[in-house]
Amino acid sequence: ETLLTQSPGTLSLSPGERATLSCRASQSVSSTYLAWYQQKAGQAPRLLIFGASSRAAGIPDRFSGSGSGTDFTLTISRLEPEDFAVYYCQQYAGSPPRYTFGQGTKLEIK
Amino acid sequence: QVQLQESGPGLVKPSETLSLTCTVSGGSLNNYYWSWIRQSPGKGLEWIGYIYYNGYVNYNPSLQSRVIISIDTSKNHFSLNLTSVTAADTAVYYCARYKGNWYLFDYWGQGTLVTVSS
Repeated sequence: ETLLTQSPGTLSLSPGERATLSCRASQSVSSTYLAWYQQKAGQAPRLLIFGASSRAAGIPDRFSGSGSGTDFTLTISRLEPEDFAVYYCQQYAGSPPRYTFGQGTKLEIK
Repeated sequence: QVQLQESGPGLVKPSETLSLTCTVSGGSLNNYYWSWIRQSPGKGLEWIGYIYYNGYVNYNPSLQSRVIISIDTSKNHFSLNLTSVTAADTAVYYCARYKGNWYLFDYWGQGTLVTVSS
């Protein structure tokens, strides 16, 4: 089973700063199978990025995803107040299908 | 805009069956996969399984022996049954639409907390 490890566990930044969140897989993952979600307190996760680098509908262009193999990154270019939340990466592995999530990175206001 | 809403008991006794329903509005169940995902402090986000509109299912191997997901396209809803529950099954349960061609979950319900306790 492929494990996803996200770092850091908590990231403290100020509005306007750049955020870089990491997701490392225990074995190689196809970029096609890697997604990122944002979750605010009391809400369901919201899809941000799919295919490692494609933004979902309605997601601002300050959010970008990159990476390949075992190392993936979510970057928020200039933090807005509404971006402070928990972020999860998610991957798919087939035969049988399995979907696993990282443990999350909490992005908090400094 | 597709919307999903979970419903069901918020409290289930140990050894009994957890039953939840997800009602979909703003779109049809046809031609999509529909999934259950849960979230607990101890295990984070955990995929439970999915069902295709034609009834084809796949379950998380770790839960497979206790899970049944069913679908009723005439009522535009799908359901989760989890048997022999323990305190470890206490979690927020989400239903979500799964897009098989992109391996992602694009629409989610708001989630419902299910507590397993006597």
